Amino acid sequence: KAGVTQTPRYLIKTRGQQVTLSCSPISGHRSVSWYQQTPGQGLQFLFEYFSETQRNKGNFPGRFSGRQFSNSRSEMNVSTLELGDSALYLCASSLALGVGQETQYFGPGTRLLVL
Amino acid sequence: GENVEQHPSTLSVQEGDSAVIKCTYSDSASNYFPWYKQELGKGPQLIIDIRSNVGEKKDQRIAVTLNKTAKHFSLHITETQPEDSAVYFCAASYPNTGKLIFGQGTTLQVKP
Repeated sequence: KAGVTQTPRYLIKTRGQQVTLSCSPISGHRSVSWYQQTPGQGLQFLFEYFSETQRNKGNFPGRFSGRQFSNSRSEMNVSTLELGDSALYLCASSLALGVGQETQYFGPGTRLLVL
Repeated sequence: GENVEQHPSTLSVQEGDSAVIKCTYSDSASNYFPWYKQELGKGPQLIIDIRSNVGEKKDQRIAVTLNKTAKHFSLHITETQPEDSAVYFCAASYPNTGKLIFGQGTTLQVKP
């Protein structure tokens, strides 16, 4: 089975722009979660989607949003980029029970640099 | 609040020695505790996990122990090898908010 895939792998943007990242979960997985990883804050939960609905949300501003499609693929969007948004954005998928209830499988991440 | 403390932040051992990483959590409702290994340029990979109804779990050279009373859990790696060098993260579930909270990570270096 193919693992979690994320595109693009690397991205450079300037302040004020917006960005969309994509995640394809493992086949058969219906829960997709997003995390932000930075050296200072570590791994922080952004949100989780299941059946095209946001099921849980972390403590991030409204500039961070996401969605899930009927095939379980997910996108996250960050609007009005700030320098502090530079990070590795990780996507994780699991079967159905979601975050904290079953094994999550992570993708390789998208490295975002905001200049 | 939702918090997972992980120690040490860096750990250097000789090949063949054992390595121990410890984590504490704050919510007594936490019931799922995974450990992830992250190598450079890759996403975290699950290496072992434990649920709150189990005190210890082993998988070859890796073991995890859980003390619910003290709210701490530990990762034990025996007979370390250079390929064990990576960043290790512990995590604890917070069922009331549906989150998985991660520790800050431990950089393990195994010297040949």
